[in-house]
Amino acid sequence: DSGVTQTPKHLITATGQRVTLRCSPRSGDLSVYWYQQSLDQGLQFLIQYYNGEERAKGNILERFSAQQFPDLHSELNLSSLELGDSALYFCASSSSGTERTDTQYFGPGTRLTVL
Amino acid sequence: AQSVTQLDSHVSVSEGTPVLLRCNYSSSYSPSLFWYVQHPNKGLQLLLKYTSAATLVKGINGFEAEFKKSETSFHLTKPSAHMSDAAEYFCVVSTGGFKTIFGAGTRLFVKA
Repeated sequence: DSGVTQTPKHLITATGQRVTLRCSPRSGDLSVYWYQQSLDQGLQFLIQYYNGEERAKGNILERFSAQQFPDLHSELNLSSLELGDSALYFCASSSSGTERTDTQYFGPGTRLTVL
Repeated sequence: AQSVTQLDSHVSVSEGTPVLLRCNYSSSYSPSLFWYVQHPNKGLQLLLKYTSAATLVKGINGFEAEFKKSETSFHLTKPSAHMSDAAEYFCVVSTGGFKTIFGAGTRLFVKA
């Protein structure tokens, strides 16, 4: 158990809908990362937050947005969902995110299925 | 700029034989290097990491990796594969400052 929690574990929804994925980092960790993993694209970095502020952006679509709240939990919002958004979405956390020695600890993931 | 290349997308070994998963990196600064393992439908788990101390790093489950600066490599090895090692493995390079790059992954198959 990494100490990172993600809810829900599974999510099934229809095209055009909007969903919210939630992540609670390990106690004391300030950085949260979001990743998307699909069979055709592999593991893709989406976005990183550090202590409430966006700090790095990867291949995140405009239909997707995220935020980190004062209690450091984070939410990933996915809107106007398409079939191709079906994937495993992982959250990870690290103590700072600025040090090269930081280890990212991954949650168990949320499996999103868009029908 | 930094990058990481996992040289094999798939590796197949027989149970009890050695495992070698290859990773090359490129970095303008002294990097930290990590190996993660992902079992099917699970999150990624840290196997080991190199942070500029000993160049031979020992990890969990009998895995180890050697940092070779001259070859810009960080290959993952295990003397004897077990069926439970079948998984996907990711090599990661980090130079800090919000710059962490994941490799494309190597899927390890273990035959009985």
